[in-house]
Amino acid sequence: AQRVTQPEKLLSVFKGAPVELKCNYSYSGSPELFWYVQYSRQRLQLLLRHISRESIKGFTADLNKGETSFHLKKPFAQEEDSAMYYCALIGGGSYIPTFGRGTSLIVHP
Amino acid sequence: ETGVTQSPTHLIKTRGQQVTLRCSSQSGHNTVSWYQQALGQGPQFIFQYYREEENGRGNFPPRFSGLQFPNYSSELNVNALELDDSALYLCASSLAGGPGETQYFGPGTRLLVL
Repeated sequence: AQRVTQPEKLLSVFKGAPVELKCNYSYSGSPELFWYVQYSRQRLQLLLRHISRESIKGFTADLNKGETSFHLKKPFAQEEDSAMYYCALIGGGSYIPTFGRGTSLIVHP
Repeated sequence: ETGVTQSPTHLIKTRGQQVTLRCSSQSGHNTVSWYQQALGQGPQFIFQYYREEENGRGNFPPRFSGLQFPNYSSELNVNALELDDSALYLCASSLAGGPGETQYFGPGTRLLVL
């Protein structure tokens, strides 16, 4: 069975502070991992995926297979980063994604 | 390019009733996935349709059924509604049915079962 755990329901930081949103997963094979974001009054949208190894809006995420983690990081948070963030996993060969329960990020001015 | 649309936006039903939710996929997309998002939870995969065929199903009972039409729009039907079916139902479309395809989400339909 595949599982995604986002241990923090809420993360509150000040503008300019570093941000790390935690995501741990449980899956025996090689997963594909994603971060989705939902800004206030907007739709859920893909932020980044681990296979792309890209930085989007200053966010990066590295897949750590040893720790089974895919934490989302940004060195300097901005107020516009305030949103709901969801980590998601797709097991190899499956079409069924598993989402975490989400972390609400609030960036104070 | 038209994004994913869903109708209705809100719906109130009573226990035991049946409901149909609709989704129009983004232009050029042939795959539609449906999700249930309960309050305070992440989206939970219900099923996916690729070129009018079911292409994967999550852990939902058979009273959750779907359909995809030749224009790739889709319906989610839920029979014998239960109180726990109250949730936001999200539809997402993608270019193809592969697991790595980027999904584009609609705004959702909020269902309340009384």
